[in-house]
Amino acid sequence: SQKIEQNSEALNIQEGKTATLTCNYTNYSPAYLQWYRQDPGRGPVFLLLIRENEKEKRKERLKVTFDTTLKQSLFHITASQPADSATYLCALVGGGGNKLTFGTGTQLKVEL
Amino acid sequence: EPEVTQTPSHQVTQMGQEVILRCVPISNHLYFYWYRQILGQKVEFLVSFYNNEISEKSEIFDDQFSVERPDGSNFTLKIRSTKLEDSAMYFCASTGTLVNEQFFGPGTRLTVL
Repeated sequence: SQKIEQNSEALNIQEGKTATLTCNYTNYSPAYLQWYRQDPGRGPVFLLLIRENEKEKRKERLKVTFDTTLKQSLFHITASQPADSATYLCALVGGGGNKLTFGTGTQLKVEL
Repeated sequence: EPEVTQTPSHQVTQMGQEVILRCVPISNHLYFYWYRQILGQKVEFLVSFYNNEISEKSEIFDDQFSVERPDGSNFTLKIRSTKLEDSAMYFCASTGTLVNEQFFGPGTRLTVL
């Protein structure tokens, strides 16, 4: 069956450092992959999308890589800030209606 | 900036009762979705909807669930006879094209007693 795994442990980092979050998947061949941010009690908010033929995508302080051979995506936040503290969700896209299949998420806490 | 809205924000119901969760997707979007998130768990796909019919549904979306787009703006999720395990946050989402990001609403917290 399809499986999407993200760092199960919360990630605590110091302000100004780079946070790196991992998303691994099995039994899946997604055409593309998306990353979302979720704050407590709120809906997911889209951050970045990367296609299977793209190795890397950047947006401001965010960078995503996608390795279809390793079946892995890495999500980086550079120069992290306390406001970046949230849960980050990896989502694979597929199916007739292009449903999102989410990982469990990684909780990031950026400390002063 | 356009956004997806959902009502109510919190619904409390007795087991066996019917509930209708309402969503107003972004106005020019064509694809609509419902997801749910049980407390402390991951966001799970329920159903996708396009051109007035279901595109895909998950195993969770059984005969007790139905969706409807009764007019040009609303998108509803009905649970006919709620169970305790239906307690969750329900998110509506919409998108303009299949290759783009999905825009999520703020969610309806459903509590079944």
